[in-house]
Amino acid sequence: QQQVKQSPQSLIVQKGGISIINCAYENTAFDYFPWYQQFPGKGPALLIAIRPDVSEKKEGRFTISFNKSAKQFSLHIMDSQPGDSATYFCAARISGAGSYQLTFGKGTKLSVIP
Amino acid sequence: NAGVTQTPKFQVLKTGQSMTLQCAQDMNHNSMYWYRQDPGMGLRLIYYSASEGTTDKGEVPNGYNVSRLNKREFSLRLESAAPSQTSVYFCAISPWSSYEQYFGPGTRLTVT
Repeated sequence: QQQVKQSPQSLIVQKGGISIINCAYENTAFDYFPWYQQFPGKGPALLIAIRPDVSEKKEGRFTISFNKSAKQFSLHIMDSQPGDSATYFCAARISGAGSYQLTFGKGTKLSVIP
Repeated sequence: NAGVTQTPKFQVLKTGQSMTLQCAQDMNHNSMYWYRQDPGMGLRLIYYSASEGTTDKGEVPNGYNVSRLNKREFSLRLESAAPSQTSVYFCAISPWSSYEQYFGPGTRLTVT
């Protein structure tokens, strides 16, 4: 089973607030959990990633929290800015037979209002 | 999207027509991928090529074929387009074993 469930589908946050996006997975064979950011009309781009043996990773205003026992991970965007308005995808990597694949969540459309 | 180019950017097809979407990279990465993106469905893997000379099916391969022409190029072919294939198609590349994939700008395909 390679499903990654993401919520919420959309999120509206005021400027300066905290945006939180959650993901859950079932397959314990996943070995990396990246987050991608996509602006309208563009392809997704890697934002931040975490390994399952780490509980938290922070890069600037973006933090991933990882709960291995619950099979959940989340993206926190601190001091959210209008420029953060985009669609965010969580993903999980699986490897096998000499190849690596990402399974993506369905995405969260974030709107940061002034 | 530097390093990954996709052609065409837009295409309108009639049901039953065929076409090939082209993807080329200049980053010398081993792995290449084709995804489709539909509203509310996220990114779904159609086919991938772990390295030159190999291709494998992803989650939604039906109705598509691929060719890894060389290390730089990976094409996606629709033999007989159907309205259900209306989507935005993304090509992505990655270094071997990396979790980071670099996406192209996408091709918006409409099948009427």
